[in-house]
Amino acid sequence: DAGITQSPRHKVTETGTPVTLRCHQTENHRYMYWYRQDPGHGLRLIHYSYGVKDTDKGEVSDGYSVSRSKTEDFLLTLESATSSQTSVYFCAISESTGERGDSYEQYFGPGTRLTVT
Amino acid sequence: GQSLEQPSEVTAVEGAIVQINCTYQTSGFYGLSWYQQHDGGAPTFLSYNALDGLEETGRFSSFLSRSDSYGYLLLQELQMKDSASYFCAVLSGGYQKVTFGTGTKLQVIP
Repeated sequence: DAGITQSPRHKVTETGTPVTLRCHQTENHRYMYWYRQDPGHGLRLIHYSYGVKDTDKGEVSDGYSVSRSKTEDFLLTLESATSSQTSVYFCAISESTGERGDSYEQYFGPGTRLTVT
Repeated sequence: GQSLEQPSEVTAVEGAIVQINCTYQTSGFYGLSWYQQHDGGAPTFLSYNALDGLEETGRFSSFLSRSDSYGYLLLQELQMKDSASYFCAVLSGGYQKVTFGTGTKLQVIP
């Protein structure tokens, strides 16, 4: 299994408080991603990173920010948590891009279950 | 934009064969992936098809038809442990454009 950890694994927080989720990898993969998973929606991309200090928005980025100061760490921050951000958050990594027909594989961390009350 | 369609639920008998279909609409298509996710677990990679045809990995096979914007995952010799959700995902425009379907929940019954 790819070496990906997420912390915390579970968190309950109140509306309006800031929350930071951490993703740590030991695989030295270039690309890192944050997804949220909600019933009926599958996995939706929040933000992704294509290198240290290089990040960009995904399809559901409003209310979230990210930072990547080291190859191995990718942080997701909810500046002011809302109940609509209650979800399971998955971090993923990949080394390939699929741009030249090479296999494209993402490896996922164990997830963080976040509840905003 | 991107959209994918797959059945929400499928039930199959242990030892049988099941096919999970995925149709997609996208621009700049690179390839189609399949992931398995058990309840409470993380998605795990199963296969990736960039070219038309069938790819086989043990009991699992994945097929792609680029002209039909269609693919499927074939699971043979079903086992109880195959009960899980299966997601197709389209890669378009590179690593930054991965769109997942909403998943097919497979129930394997004795």
